[in-house]
Amino acid sequence: AQSVTQPDIHITVSEGASLELRCNYSYGATPYLFWYVQSPGQGLQLLLKYFSGDTLVQGIKGFEAEFKRSQSSFNLRKPSVHWSDAAEYFCAGIHMNRDDKIIFGKGTRLHILP
Amino acid sequence: EAQVTQNPRYLITVTGKKLTVTCSQNMNHEYMSWYRQDPGLGLRQIYYSMNVEVTDKGDVPEGYKVSRKEKRNFPLILESPSPNQTSLYFCASSSRIRGMNTEAFFGQGTRLTVV
Repeated sequence: AQSVTQPDIHITVSEGASLELRCNYSYGATPYLFWYVQSPGQGLQLLLKYFSGDTLVQGIKGFEAEFKRSQSSFNLRKPSVHWSDAAEYFCAGIHMNRDDKIIFGKGTRLHILP
Repeated sequence: EAQVTQNPRYLITVTGKKLTVTCSQNMNHEYMSWYRQDPGLGLRQIYYSMNVEVTDKGDVPEGYKVSRKEKRNFPLILESPSPNQTSLYFCASSSRIRGMNTEAFFGQGTRLTVV
């Protein structure tokens, strides 16, 4: 079955440090992949998406992600985090069948130390 | 402004009292869906709709109903709410390109408490 896995439930980094959130997928063909961010009390906001082409995609708020087919990964990165980046991050992929359902990972909660 | 609007944002109700959560999108999207979000379980799809008058069950449809009479609206109906339906609910919509869904746009969420 197609799935999206985020291995880390919680991640803590210091403000100004670099960040990498992991995401692995299992799809037969090239998937459509996304990263969303959910701030407390808010809905989900799209950070970036990968459909095809360049495997390094740039998103909003200084985030980027790299699609690596050989590792079935789509990790999210940011060179220097800010306290306002504290939130929950969801990796997601399109389920390649008739209904095109988006499959979400369980999320990674990011904590920022001052 | 392109958006998905849910109402209400917060709702406390009693067991068995029918309620409706409305969802409207202004982007002319074909695909709409409802999710519930619970701690440790992530987002689970309740129902989805590929277009007007076309709805189908998601992963956790029990206890819910939906309708899609107009393209922009996709209400979620709880005929007889129970405490296990206490959750955070999200409506989302997507456009379709070359027969595939694109990214989902989410509403702000409805926090429902059933006592």
